Amino acid sequence: EPEVTQTPSHQVTQMGQEVILRCVPISNHLYFYWYRQILGQKVEFLVSFYNNEISEKSEIFDDQFSVERPDGSNFTLKIRSTKLEDSAMYFCASNREMNTEAFFGQGTRLTVV
Amino acid sequence: SQKIEQNSEALNIQEGKTATLTCNYTNYSPAYLQWYRQDPGRGPVFLLLIRENEKEKRKERLKVTFDTTLKQSLFHITASQPADSATYLCAILTAGTASKLTFGTGTRLQVTL
Repeated sequence: EPEVTQTPSHQVTQMGQEVILRCVPISNHLYFYWYRQILGQKVEFLVSFYNNEISEKSEIFDDQFSVERPDGSNFTLKIRSTKLEDSAMYFCASNREMNTEAFFGQGTRLTVV
Repeated sequence: SQKIEQNSEALNIQEGKTATLTCNYTNYSPAYLQWYRQDPGRGPVFLLLIRENEKEKRKERLKVTFDTTLKQSLFHITASQPADSATYLCAILTAGTASKLTFGTGTRLQVTL
């Protein structure tokens, strides 16, 4: 069964460093998303991406964040200068059509020290 | 302000019984409401989607109802099994928001023998 894959599964980084989280969405999907979940809290929307551009972003997704689809398969989330409060589980998701079920990856646990 | 509320307390239920989880929302006009399952340290897994003009949806042992007047969705698992133990997330999708999902905090279900 096709699945969304994310790498790495764990990432520890020092405050102020840049990190890139990587995702390979399901191959025939057209809509891509990043969500995050701080430990013990709810899953929060960060950004949606369609047709090679951001379609919507949340207040969390400030200038420190960026997304890219550098080739036909990868979808990345970059955090330019990490803060302690960026520590969370980051989930990539995709779907083929709008308003349908979203397929989530297993997440990258980011720890900023 | 907008809220999606799920019981924060864990729901403990005996195997074989029906589990009923509640999702209440305020100041949203959801076009769709989705339910996901989340296991510890894993990404959400889609279970069911119900549209604003649907009252009920079923899939195997799962049933979802949607009452736009009460602003509430109920999620039922019949003949519950220990393997159903997980956190269940309600998510709202508002029309015209690029398929952005807004999640509730989730309810943890524990099914015991």
